[in-house]
Amino acid sequence: DAGVIQSPRHEVTEMGQEVTLRCKPISGHNSLFWYRQTMMRGLELLIYFNNNVPIDDSGMPEDRFSAKMPNASFSTLKIQPSEPRDSAVYFCASSPGRQGPSYEQYFGPGTRLTVT
Amino acid sequence: EDQVTQSPEALRLQEGESSSLNCSYTVSGLRGLFWYRQDPGKGPEFLFTLYSAGEEKEKERLKATLTKKESFLHITAPKPEDSATYLCAVSSGGSYIPTFGRGTSLIVHP
Repeated sequence: DAGVIQSPRHEVTEMGQEVTLRCKPISGHNSLFWYRQTMMRGLELLIYFNNNVPIDDSGMPEDRFSAKMPNASFSTLKIQPSEPRDSAVYFCASSPGRQGPSYEQYFGPGTRLTVT
Repeated sequence: EDQVTQSPEALRLQEGESSSLNCSYTVSGLRGLFWYRQDPGKGPEFLFTLYSAGEEKEKERLKATLTKKESFLHITAPKPEDSATYLCAVSSGGSYIPTFGRGTSLIVHP
């Protein structure tokens, strides 16, 4: 299995631009999570999908952030407009959830976002 | 609200010097406690899940244990390649959303 795939790996953009991050979860996993990691705040959960449905988006910072999961093999996290304080590493993780014996998560390699 | 506190924040060891990392937690109905390893520039890598007090799991030089209030990650005779940040997380009740601690940064000197 290729594991969780994220693209792009690095993104540098100017303030005000739209940014779209992409994620392909592990096949068969029914839960998908988007996280943001910074030195100051550690690993923060942004949104959680179960069976392609958003279950908890309370971690989404504000309306500039949106996430979609149109099917079981693809999800996007969009920031529009981007701001310098959005600079961070964004991780996607998938989990077997209820379909598995446990609830561990498998993380992608992350997207390092820099907003100038 | 679930809480996870990891200590120490940073730990430096000499190769072969065994030690333990601590994860203290407060939850309402533990569903699982997870340990992850994160190397610089990479995503966290799953290591262990522990479900109930008294449970232990081992992998190479790592051994994770669980009590009702805390978990320990014991590192026996560490090697430089064990250097990484170790994250602890808990899930509770009916939630599949884990709460992560801030991690312990481990450096093992040759």
